[in-house]
Amino acid sequence: QVQLQESGPGLVKPSETLSLTCTVSGGSVSSGSYYWNWIRQPPGKGLEWIGYIYYRGSTNYNPSLKSRVTISVDPSKNQFSLQLTSVTAADTAVYYCARDTGYGDPFHYWGQGTLLTVSS
Amino acid sequence: DIQLTQSPSFLSASVGDRVTIPCRASQGISRYLAWYQQKPGKAPKLLIYSASTLQSGVPSRFSGSGSGTEFTLTISSLQPEDFATYYCQQLNSYPRTFGQGTKVEIK
Repeated sequence: QVQLQESGPGLVKPSETLSLTCTVSGGSVSSGSYYWNWIRQPPGKGLEWIGYIYYRGSTNYNPSLKSRVTISVDPSKNQFSLQLTSVTAADTAVYYCARDTGYGDPFHYWGQGTLLTVSS
Repeated sequence: DIQLTQSPSFLSASVGDRVTIPCRASQGISRYLAWYQQKPGKAPKLLIYSASTLQSGVPSRFSGSGSGTEFTLTISSLQPEDFATYYCQQLNSYPRTFGQGTKVEIK
């Protein structure tokens, strides 16, 4: 059974860079079958897809965030990561990692989410 | 981007009611639509994909229908554990987008 677990600092100051990690167990981020995604949800609001990384390192980002987002993968730790630069209060959200197979497939597996607050 | 519209945002119903939740896409997405259930403080849980395929382990009272631009999630007999927020998601193209959600509340 695949499990995903997000981790991060919890609090980031405005204008700084947000860094979150998703640790995968029960499966490999190096598998050629899967896309590794980040999704976020501001408090009391809906879901926003941030982007994905494929095992070979190819990425696809939401145009609304593309200028500030980098998703990377570390096969040696079986992790993938999210960096979001120049954060503001609008980036305060619960951040989820999730897995799909692309090809019109939904997110079958999600992490439990981690709240990141942007505040001075 | 493909916009998904869920209306109403809130729905009041009683245990045992048949509930239908619509989702409309801004352009045709064939049957590339999924439904998720989310409870407070929890990650979304996949219920249905490919518009009508029930995810393993999901009770059969949940069903999905539709294609193109009009989709519906139906709960045939609402149970106490079904009070939650439901989101549709399009899987036709990137960026992946979600509806704004429909919260099912106790009447």
